[in-house]
Amino acid sequence: DAKTTQPPSMDCAEGRAANLPCNHSTISGNEYVYWYRQIHSQGPQYIIHGLKNNETNEMASLIITEDRKSSTLILPHATLRDTAVYYCIVRATGTASKLTFGTGTRLQVTL
Amino acid sequence: NAGVTQTPKFRVLKTGQSMTLLCAQDMNHEYMYWYRQDPGMGLRLIHYSVGEGTTAKGEVPDGYNVSRLKKQNFLLGLESAAPSQTSVYFCASSYSLTSLGYTFGSGTRLTVV
Repeated sequence: DAKTTQPPSMDCAEGRAANLPCNHSTISGNEYVYWYRQIHSQGPQYIIHGLKNNETNEMASLIITEDRKSSTLILPHATLRDTAVYYCIVRATGTASKLTFGTGTRLQVTL
Repeated sequence: NAGVTQTPKFRVLKTGQSMTLLCAQDMNHEYMYWYRQDPGMGLRLIHYSVGEGTTAKGEVPDGYNVSRLKKQNFLLGLESAAPSQTSVYFCASSYSLTSLGYTFGSGTRLTVV
């Protein structure tokens, strides 16, 4: 699976959009981009995933560049409860289904 | 519908003792996984299972054994605990190779003294 690079930390004001970047320049054609988050002391929580089209669900939006070498997770109106570590993961389909987590981005939402 | 349940939530062991961590899921998922999480290191895969009766090694399998005798349960065993195994352990499950995502348990915090 391709390696990902994320900034170690980011801040965001409550009510503003949080844009979390992820670089995955070695991504292959059959690899999806997944985002998870982990709120302090809890298990990771699935947020969203995509292959090449932009995706949106009730939690977030995922923007993938046309060359698929990077992506951005957008939390449109961040709240204090969105403070967490966010993991960007690239995983191929058709392989043993295991996710590899890096160290992620620690997002701090402030008043 | 509880999702993924881990027991116990906390445990303190002495070096050399053994214990078993239990993971149970009620979603009829085929795949189950055990991860450990240490400060500053993200989550690392210990062992996983792609179905009842099957197990496979992950990134950091040494010192651990697993069993998947029933589809809904995945057990992680420490035969002779060491201080290096002090960690938070997470279990997860997923439906298939193309499943949308993993469902994680709430974790077991293990301290080996």
